[in-house]
Amino acid sequence: GNSVTQMEGPVTLSEEAFLTINCTYTATGYPSLFWYVQYPGEGLQLLLKATKADDKGSNKGFEATYRKETTSFHLEKGSVQVSDSAVYFCALTSRQAGTALIFGKGTTLSVSS
Amino acid sequence: DAGVIQSPRHEVTEMGQEVTLRCKPISGHDYLFWYRQTMMRGLELLIYFNNNVPIDDSGMPEDRFSAKMPNASFSTLKIQPSEPRDSAVYFCASSFGRGNQPQHFGDGTRLSIL
Repeated sequence: GNSVTQMEGPVTLSEEAFLTINCTYTATGYPSLFWYVQYPGEGLQLLLKATKADDKGSNKGFEATYRKETTSFHLEKGSVQVSDSAVYFCALTSRQAGTALIFGKGTTLSVSS
Repeated sequence: DAGVIQSPRHEVTEMGQEVTLRCKPISGHDYLFWYRQTMMRGLELLIYFNNNVPIDDSGMPEDRFSAKMPNASFSTLKIQPSEPRDSAVYFCASSFGRGNQPQHFGDGTRLSIL
């Protein structure tokens, strides 16, 4: 079946540090991949997406590249800020799975100044 | 643009009571989703609608849960009777089209059943 696996958190970094959050997936067919972010007390917001192999999604300094050969979609940012502290979710959809998103369990990021 | 609007933001009630959660999707979106978020189980899809018709309700945990979408601008998720294990944050999301279109989430309803 379709599934998403994220690295366990929490991830604790100092401001301006480099961030990587690992995400791997299992899917039939050709899924679309997403990163969502959830700030405290809020709903999820789309951070970036990629719809085919080798696509790179980017937004607000975050990037992720759709790697079909390694079935991965790792999230990276070169220099994190305190305001990036949130929970990050990797997710996929595929035509075979229908329209619904399949989420990973989320990774909590805490950035200190 | 107005986003997905959920009400109430917080609900505290005693077990056995009926609970109704409400959602107004983004105008023009044809898909609506209900999710539940808990620490133990993460984000779970409960049910989703396309053009007001329920498509997949396999995530609805029990017959105590029901969802309706009487028109394109309103949906409800009802729990009757409620139990303490139903305590969670419930999210509504909407999207336009299938597949790679992003879903837009409301701010959620934090439900506590005592």
